[in-house]
Amino acid sequence: GEDVEQSLFLSVREGDSSVINCTYTDSSSTYLYWYKQEPGAGLQLLTYIFSNMDMKQDQRLTVLLNKKDKHLSLRIADTQTGDSAIYFCAESRGSARQLTFGSGTQLTVLP
Amino acid sequence: DGGITQSPKYLFRKEGQNVTLSCEQNLNHDAMYWYRQDPGQGLRLIYYSQIVNDFQKGDIAEGYSVSREKKESFPLTVTSAQKNPTAFYLCASISTGTGSLQPQHFGDGTRLSIL
Repeated sequence: GEDVEQSLFLSVREGDSSVINCTYTDSSSTYLYWYKQEPGAGLQLLTYIFSNMDMKQDQRLTVLLNKKDKHLSLRIADTQTGDSAIYFCAESRGSARQLTFGSGTQLTVLP
Repeated sequence: DGGITQSPKYLFRKEGQNVTLSCEQNLNHDAMYWYRQDPGQGLRLIYYSQIVNDFQKGDIAEGYSVSREKKESFPLTVTSAQKNPTAFYLCASISTGTGSLQPQHFGDGTRLSIL
């Protein structure tokens, strides 16, 4: 199978941490990505992790990769209202680096 | 500044009409991609091109056509054979050189609707 799966919705309170989860099926994936999409806009790359890494941290963002379980997560610390958006995980495969996307998680940050 | 430019931002198609979406990049990227996004769904790959004058079908190529006559340009034509063209179309590009760790960069998208 080549599916990438995410839960559709997540709501958090401002200032709390958000954790968005993703599972993928292709163990040959080389890179795994997190993109952010605001309404009516294109995709903004947030961060990515190479498949031989377990964790990557970039300011408020922490990516965890469990290759055995094919599970990827994105943690956003101190979530702000500006973080409200749809978050997509994607895996990259093949010489042409095609991306396979999950369906996206709508993150809503409540005041 | 380097980037990917998609035009127009909004496009309307009449029944039986072909329309062409533009995608231009000045990043000197080798590979370019077209994705389609439907509400509540992720992006699905339509076509991609790794070099000039060559392109391959993605997962949902039926009803679409592309060309790659120049490295910086990868236009997508939505033909009348595409019966459900209403969607948000995103173009992306990447450098595929050896040792390159560049992820795909995306344009701001074109929203296509049926009149």
